[in-house]
Amino acid sequence: EAQVTQNPRYLITVTGKKLTVTCSQNMNHEYMSWYRQDPGLGLRQIYYSMNVEVTDKGDVPEGYKVSRKEKRNFPLILESPSPNQTSLYFCASSLSGSDSPLHFGNGTRLTVT
Amino acid sequence: AQSVSQHNHHVILSEAASLELGCNYSYGGTVNLFWYVQYPGQHLQLLLKYFSGDPLVKGIKGFEAEFIKSKFSFNLRKPSVQWSDTAEYFCAVRSGTNAGKSTFGDGTTLTVKP
Repeated sequence: EAQVTQNPRYLITVTGKKLTVTCSQNMNHEYMSWYRQDPGLGLRQIYYSMNVEVTDKGDVPEGYKVSRKEKRNFPLILESPSPNQTSLYFCASSLSGSDSPLHFGNGTRLTVT
Repeated sequence: AQSVSQHNHHVILSEAASLELGCNYSYGGTVNLFWYVQYPGQHLQLLLKYFSGDPLVKGIKGFEAEFIKSKFSFNLRKPSVQWSDTAEYFCAVRSGTNAGKSTFGDGTTLTVKP
């Protein structure tokens, strides 16, 4: 089954403790992206990757890091999480063209205390 | 910079009522437009998309949208809603010149009363 898999689904952590949210897709998509969803703000793009070793900032990249060493994986790293990063995070993938729809993972609900 | 504006934050309808959700975008170049739906507790799923050709596009579950270039709009419609359409709806744009950037509207929550 074609899917985007995120782990974990829920995560509670404390300020400053480094964490990684994993994202993997099995559709051989070139493009992958991370978003955060906050009430009233919709989805805001954090980082995206057009292909292996090619990443770029989205609209809200501060406090986040990403890497794309393999085509299927695109982990999101929070080196020193803060409470304002408490949010619902979605990973998505697509073919490389701008007319390609995004396929989303099931989301990771992160709480930073 | 591209941006997307959704006019209604919360819409409440009775079953069988007609639906129209507004979406306007700001970007001067070629755009590809999408509507996604997020059912409670689930991830976003594609409803429909427009990238060229006939400006009236049809999607899943009886939804359709019309692209009006002169108005920079891409409104979503459904003639008769069902209780199962209760969800949050997002309009999104990807530009033809920067396929990496995806911009979403703030979302419209639709509640359909049985």
